[in-house]
Amino acid sequence: SAVISQKPSRDICQRGTSLTIQCQVDSQVTMMFWYRQQPGQSLTLIATANQGSEATYESGFVIDKFPISRPNLTFSTLTVSNMSPEDSSIYLCSVVGSANTEAFFGQGTRLTVV
Amino acid sequence: GQNIDQPTEMTATEGAIVQINCTYQTSGFNGLFWYQQHAGEAPTFLSYNVLDGLEEKGRFSSFLSRSKGYSYLLLKELQMKDSASYLCAVAGSYNTDKLIFGTGTRLQVFP
Repeated sequence: SAVISQKPSRDICQRGTSLTIQCQVDSQVTMMFWYRQQPGQSLTLIATANQGSEATYESGFVIDKFPISRPNLTFSTLTVSNMSPEDSSIYLCSVVGSANTEAFFGQGTRLTVV
Repeated sequence: GQNIDQPTEMTATEGAIVQINCTYQTSGFNGLFWYQQHAGEAPTFLSYNVLDGLEEKGRFSSFLSRSKGYSYLLLKELQMKDSASYLCAVAGSYNTDKLIFGTGTRLQVFP
């Protein structure tokens, strides 16, 4: 199994500012995934963070709004830029286990934009 | 397109059995996952199916029919602590392992 440390666990931010969320994994993984979970809803994939190349974004998400870094095989960051109240969500990072039969999640970052 | 459907809410009684269904239509298929998520917490892994049939793990079982694009999660001997959201997710692409999640089913267990 993989242990994922995600921080901050929660934050309250002013609109127009940016927040960077960090995700640290206790083992090397090829791909890391960033999800958003809006209140009362399921998880939506934002992007796949690839080491050594640009992140791959899903429809509806763009790099300018959600820049992602992946400097090595155990770490990634997601920045939520120029925040508005609509960005208030839980953001989760995830990795797939070595057997590709299980995905592990960080504890999540609960973001509130005021 | 990608489409994964689950009932929005279900209720059941402590000690009973409940079946949560999931139907999917995805451009690819590399396995189906079930996750449990308590309010305010991250999802936790319950099961993975890639071949047709039933996988049993304690009180929880998961079934898959790839030809029908259908899965269910069966919870036996329900306990109050089973009150949670249950998320069905499909790994739609072999190369990326990214998961596409269904809408989630909120299960409430009553005494």
